[in-house]
Amino acid sequence: KAGVTQTPRYLIKTRGQQVTLSCSPISGHRSVSWYQQTPGQGLQFLFEYFSETQRNKGNFPGRFSGRQFSNSRSEMNVSTLELGDSALYLCASSLIAGGPGEQYFGPGTRLTVT
Amino acid sequence: SQELEQSPQSLIVQEGKNLTINCTSSKTLYGLYWYKQKYGEGLIFLMMLQKGGEEKSHEKITAKLDEKKQQSSLHITASQPSHAGIYLCGGPGTSYGKLTFGQGTILTVHP
Repeated sequence: KAGVTQTPRYLIKTRGQQVTLSCSPISGHRSVSWYQQTPGQGLQFLFEYFSETQRNKGNFPGRFSGRQFSNSRSEMNVSTLELGDSALYLCASSLIAGGPGEQYFGPGTRLTVT
Repeated sequence: SQELEQSPQSLIVQEGKNLTINCTSSKTLYGLYWYKQKYGEGLIFLMMLQKGGEEKSHEKITAKLDEKKQQSSLHITASQPSHAGIYLCGGPGTSYGKLTFGQGTILTVHP
């Protein structure tokens, strides 16, 4: 069974631009969570989607948004990029919503904002 | 909110040595996950513990959740260079889908 895939793997953007990242969960998994990882803050939860509905949201500004499609694929969007948005963005999929439950992570998208 | 603290923050060992990484929670753990991460890459799921006293092993890695469910330990026996990476513990938060992670332990194994 294929794992979680994320595209693109690397991205360079300029301040003020917007970006869209994509995540395809493991087949059959309906929950997708997004995390931001930075050296200073570590791994921080962004939001979780289940059956096309946002179930939970972390403490991030409204510039960060996401959605989930009927095939469980998810996208996250960051508008008006800031230098501090440079990070590794990870998505994780799981069979059920909420926890505890095993979450499987994708390889991440490395976003660099210049 | 729950906080997870890992110790040590970094660890350098010689190949073949045993080592232990600890993860301590500020609140009772209702499940504890261990992940391994190579620098700049995604997290690899190692194991999940749910019950106090539960112990699981995978190859040379053993993890245990203590009886009071506020601490977990990850033990690697006869370490190898392939064990090198960042080990992260994660615990379910109080709301859906959210995992709270420790800051990670960087493991270096010298051949």
